[in-house]
Amino acid sequence: GQSLEQPSEVTAVEGAIVQINCTYQTSGFYGLSWYQQHDGGAPTFLSYNGLDGLEEKGRFSSFLSRSDSYGYLLLQELQMKDSASYFCAVRDPSNAGNMLTFGGGTRLMVKP
Amino acid sequence: GAVVSQHPSWVICKSGTSVKIECRSLDFQATTMFWYRQFPKQSLMLMATSNEGSKATYEQGVEKDKFLINHASLTLSTLTVTSAHPEDSSFYICSARGDRESVYEQYFGPGTRLTVT
Repeated sequence: GQSLEQPSEVTAVEGAIVQINCTYQTSGFYGLSWYQQHDGGAPTFLSYNGLDGLEEKGRFSSFLSRSDSYGYLLLQELQMKDSASYFCAVRDPSNAGNMLTFGGGTRLMVKP
Repeated sequence: GAVVSQHPSWVICKSGTSVKIECRSLDFQATTMFWYRQFPKQSLMLMATSNEGSKATYEQGVEKDKFLINHASLTLSTLTVTSAHPEDSSFYICSARGDRESVYEQYFGPGTRLTVT
């Protein structure tokens, strides 16, 4: 089976940097994805790490360490609109449909 | 980018009635669609995976006779909540993936908020 752990809530101020961690336990591993979801909205894909290291996409970066079963999402120059829930997810290799298993989500609150 | 729509966006129904939710991929062919359920401030819980033309695969604990899924075409999947009860009230979200998309990326619909009174 798959399980992913993330902090439930994180608070930061505008302009700051915040890191959302995700640790996972999986029977197989095919990479870690990150999704953003605003209240009442649909999750949107942010990033994917298949190999160790940092992937940078503008203000958002994602990091993976497979040896530590750990990854994080880094948000820089925080803006109020970044207030949302962030989910890490892994693919379930046992499912032919390539379903994703999501972590519990981290609710990020950005304050002025 | 790929667009997935859901209809209706919200629905209120009486206990005992059935509700159908549609999920459509608008600009790509979705070989696989996923149905999730999400309670307030909680994560997305996968209910079932459906592949076009075949029976859906339900997750453990999800009643397939209560949550009927039909993936009749490459652009449409439907979820029917039969004999709905107040405990079925939730946010239902579908996602879709085509053959060309990375297996790590799914496109989500905007969700359907179901309230059963």
